[in-house]
Amino acid sequence: AQKITQTQPGMFVQEKEAVTLDCTYDTSDPSYGLFWYKQPSSGEMIFLIYQGSYDQQNATEGRYSLNFQKARKSANLVISASQLGDSAMYFCAMREGPRGTGNQFYFGTGTSLTVIP
Amino acid sequence: DAGITQSPRHKVTETGTPVTLRCHQTENHRYMYWYRQDPGHGLRLIHYSYGVKDTDKGEVSDGYSVSRSKTEDFLLTLESATSSQTSVYFCAISVSRDRENTGELFFGEGSRLTVL
Repeated sequence: AQKITQTQPGMFVQEKEAVTLDCTYDTSDPSYGLFWYKQPSSGEMIFLIYQGSYDQQNATEGRYSLNFQKARKSANLVISASQLGDSAMYFCAMREGPRGTGNQFYFGTGTSLTVIP
Repeated sequence: DAGITQSPRHKVTETGTPVTLRCHQTENHRYMYWYRQDPGHGLRLIHYSYGVKDTDKGEVSDGYSVSRSKTEDFLLTLESATSSQTSVYFCAISVSRDRENTGELFFGEGSRLTVL
């Protein structure tokens, strides 16, 4: 079974609108971390936001927020007020187990976001 | 910045030749990873290391070997490159910068390998 599933290969959003990128995960470990990365066309991988499995509140980082629904095993990324520079590939990832135990990280297949002027 | 350097950044080689990619870090991080990125597959773990001479296989380790003789260097070797190993290879380290206990991966710039 896939550890991380991103079901939207491509998404379009109008500039200044909000957009939600979907991510579901699969683990039986009670301790895990969820991450979102952005990969612009230049190719570098940029860390955006983190959510720990025990965190009570949804993570936020500027215009990024993570809609964490533990029972549904979903960790959707919400980008508010989209900008042209948000056009990129977005990857959801999961670390199983608590940090510092030699964990593996699992990545989804990514969602390509295009912001339309 | 965590200070990861990958080399070479671009390489074209022929089937059957050996290739070594180098990942160098400057901040003494314990955990290092090699991923490959292919369209439709996202990033897949090849090998990872949790210390000097301590390495383990990831989900796509066949055809690859790694070595870590020093904390700062993690080498990925393709003993006999095949066309299916044409990919972009990313090295990463597990860090925690501005937030406590996040342990996110910080990536190198990537190495684009083409096997003809």
